[in-house]
Amino acid sequence: GEDVEQSLFLSVREGDSSVINCTYTDSSSTYLYWYKQEPGAGLQLLTYIFSNMDMKQDQRLTVLLNKKDKHLSLRIADTQTGDSAIYFCAERSNYQLIWGAGTKLIIKP
Amino acid sequence: DTEVTQTPKHLVMGMTNKKSLKCEQHMGHRAMYWYKQKAKKPPELMFVYSYEKLSINESVPSRFSPECPNSSLLNLHLHALQPEDSALYLCASSQDRAGSGANVLTFGAGSRLTVL
Repeated sequence: GEDVEQSLFLSVREGDSSVINCTYTDSSSTYLYWYKQEPGAGLQLLTYIFSNMDMKQDQRLTVLLNKKDKHLSLRIADTQTGDSAIYFCAERSNYQLIWGAGTKLIIKP
Repeated sequence: DTEVTQTPKHLVMGMTNKKSLKCEQHMGHRAMYWYKQKAKKPPELMFVYSYEKLSINESVPSRFSPECPNSSLLNLHLHALQPEDSALYLCASSQDRAGSGANVLTFGAGSRLTVL
């Protein structure tokens, strides 16, 4: 079946850039998403990208899509303590979302 | 109003109890979803309603019974649950019919269920 993979943890220093990576298997995916989940909370959509785009920027967030390699990344510039959360990558495959396991972003002072 | 509201936030129930989780949205979304999320795991799809009709049931045990009374409300009725059903239950909605467009999901904060 379709699969989405992410590393489980990323540790960065406050003020540095964070880059969270994701790989997926469904080459026919139309949309790819990044969701953020803070402790005890629901999932918040951060951004999404259509498969015919290779980059999308929104304030501190930059999404890069390499469709050939089926690789998606989320860059957070100037990482702050409030960015500490689990970040889920998801691809749209047929009628539903296929989720990665989530990357826990840890901010070091 | 850009929120999905879930109640209760926390629920503790015994294996013989009957309880319900409720979800409400007033964004005019026509697709609504129930997800189950275990700790440190991604959400797992349970049910999808599209235009108030059940369109997807991901082989969920019958002790979970969804209901969509109208386009703004979604319930999940719980009966004879097992301790392994303890989890965070997330409701979500999307503007588009499930399967079309970007289909961005807006999630509620979840109902944390503990089954004793």
